[in-house]
Amino acid sequence: GQQVMQIPQYQHVQEGEDFTTYCNSSTTLSNIQWYKQRPGGHPVFLIQLVKSGEVKKQKRLTFQFGEAKKNSSLHITATQTTDVGTYFCAGSMKTSYDKVIFGPGTSLSVIP
Amino acid sequence: SAVISQKPSRDICQRGTSLTIQCQVDSQVTMMFWYRQQPGQSLTLIATANQGSEATYESGFVIDKFPISRPNLTFSTLTVSNMSPEDSSIYLCSARSFSGIANTGELFFGEGSRLTVL
Repeated sequence: GQQVMQIPQYQHVQEGEDFTTYCNSSTTLSNIQWYKQRPGGHPVFLIQLVKSGEVKKQKRLTFQFGEAKKNSSLHITATQTTDVGTYFCAGSMKTSYDKVIFGPGTSLSVIP
Repeated sequence: SAVISQKPSRDICQRGTSLTIQCQVDSQVTMMFWYRQQPGQSLTLIATANQGSEATYESGFVIDKFPISRPNLTFSTLTVSNMSPEDSSIYLCSARSFSGIANTGELFFGEGSRLTVL
């Protein structure tokens, strides 16, 4: 079945340092989404990437979708304590009208 | 956007009993899903709740254990049957809509139902 992998599992950074999490799928994806879950909260949608090679930015966050549509990355520049949480990539395989499979997530800790 | 209400928010249950979780969305949505999340773990998809028909279950999940209903476009229930301590988890209702200008197909989540089985 479809599998979505993500590394690293944990990342501890000093405030102001950059952070990157990587996502890989065993199959070609129709689209990939990124979610953030704060401790004790539920996942909150960040962004969706659809096109091969697509790059999107949200302030200090940069999202990339690989050319083969099998991998993606999230990069945070100059982390802040508000960035603390777990970041999940989640992919749909066939079409947008499909189930969404979550990666294992990367838990980010930011040391002030 | 969609606001999802789930209840109960938490419950402590006895082994062998069943519990039904309700999920109400404030607008009509295209798709509804049920996920399970162990503390500190990722979200595992249990099933897609199909309106007016049987849910589509993922590998490892069966209808007898997790019966799901979705009588209309805004409501779904998940029952955890014959519970054991291994069923202790957070169960999340999720909805996906493709309407609107943004049309990102994002998933909206309820606050989750934390079940503890003794």
